[in-house]
Amino acid sequence: SQQGEEDPQALSIQEGENATMNCSYKTSINNLQWYRQNSGRGLVHLILIRSNEREKHSGRLRVTLDTSKKSSSLLITASRAADTASYFCATAVNTGFQKLVFGTGTRLLVSP
Amino acid sequence: DTGVSQNPRHKITKRGQNVTFRCDPISEHNRLYWYRQTLGQGPEFLTYFQNEAQLEKSRLLSDRFSAERPKGSFSTLEIQRTEQGDSAMYLCASSFGRPDSYNEQFFGPGTRLTVL
Repeated sequence: SQQGEEDPQALSIQEGENATMNCSYKTSINNLQWYRQNSGRGLVHLILIRSNEREKHSGRLRVTLDTSKKSSSLLITASRAADTASYFCATAVNTGFQKLVFGTGTRLLVSP
Repeated sequence: DTGVSQNPRHKITKRGQNVTFRCDPISEHNRLYWYRQTLGQGPEFLTYFQNEAQLEKSRLLSDRFSAERPKGSFSTLEIQRTEQGDSAMYLCASSFGRPDSYNEQFFGPGTRLTVL
């Protein structure tokens, strides 16, 4: 079963704009990760944030985590057409064995 | 290319037939995972191997499904007596497992199964 949901389910923006996606989950976690999926490259790991972290940056990506609300957000700044893809959050409850529980995904369309 | 590879990339079969998929993980990775993804949904965990040992199986993995990793390297996922509900993308991932830290999973391109 899915851990939670992403919001919105679909997002359409213009190049240069920022895109924000939200993820909610149900159980306590060790870490939360964001993945991108497109038909050309499959699932690609973007960023990981641990349960004791509140914010993390990687290039044009900014991830926040609020464990009290069991939610996370992914911000993509200055979006490009190449960012068009589906984005999934995935949670892991353990440190060692990483059984990932994915959300339902946000489909992002960035138009030139 | 040293990434995770999966074969075949596409499989079309008739209901009732058996199918087998193969996953070749990144060579030094000791952990291997299978996930299933249906249209419009995120991947769902099926099973996990540490070396050749299958350590966890999801209840999604019915008796018709079997997975092996005989020598701790490549893995196969077999579905017997396929049903239309088995139609999905089957994803394989691998990681180098250290028990006390997070190990990033690297995903293969998937095998898309269509059961007619």
